[in-house]
Amino acid sequence: NAGVTQTPKFQVLKTGQSMTLQCAQDMNHEYMSWYRQDPGMGLRLIHYSVGAGITDQGEVPNGYNVSRSTTEDFPLRLLSAAPSQTSVYFCASGGPGANVLTFGAGSRLTVL
Amino acid sequence: GENVEQHPSTLSVQEGDSAVIKCTYSDSASNYFPWYKQELGKRPQLIIDIRSNVGEKKDQRIAVTLNKTAKHFSLHITETQPEDSAVYFCAASIFGTASKLTFGTGTRLQVTL
Repeated sequence: NAGVTQTPKFQVLKTGQSMTLQCAQDMNHEYMSWYRQDPGMGLRLIHYSVGAGITDQGEVPNGYNVSRSTTEDFPLRLLSAAPSQTSVYFCASGGPGANVLTFGAGSRLTVL
Repeated sequence: GENVEQHPSTLSVQEGDSAVIKCTYSDSASNYFPWYKQELGKRPQLIIDIRSNVGEKKDQRIAVTLNKTAKHFSLHITETQPEDSAVYFCAASIFGTASKLTFGTGTRLQVTL
């Protein structure tokens, strides 16, 4: 039981490049989400999903896309990276009721 | 939407002393208040939570208190130890709706020897 697995752990991009952060969970959780963590700003919700085929926007969705084709996977796509997207990204999933979140180890993204 | 304010942003205590972190929330519909601990370079992990039908909850050295009237809740850590050093986040949401979870900005707790 690996929990929530994120890849890659570190990534450096140039402005305008695109990339996908991968997230997979093996707990059969319906709820999955992506947060970004910036110094002094806590954790802010980017996008979330309450089940396969269902996604919705969080607090800071601009510049990011998501899809949920399976229960296990919830990739986050950066379409055209900008320096403002330099951050640490956390994927999280929640079981029944989705009150307790299990976080992945995080992905540190730097956009030059 | 919900707004959660957290104070202080940094807190330094000596080993064995108590630490208190305070949060306020704005949405009276919020009824679930978890606390997450994030050690340096690690992922956030839930350490304790409270629902609005109780005023206090304890788990060994940590406790959380809730004042619904004033819309504030606090984390209390007694007999602090070096391994308590971390960033602590409070959060508020409507129970059962993780998409509504709003986090505070975090408190960096340093426990010195």
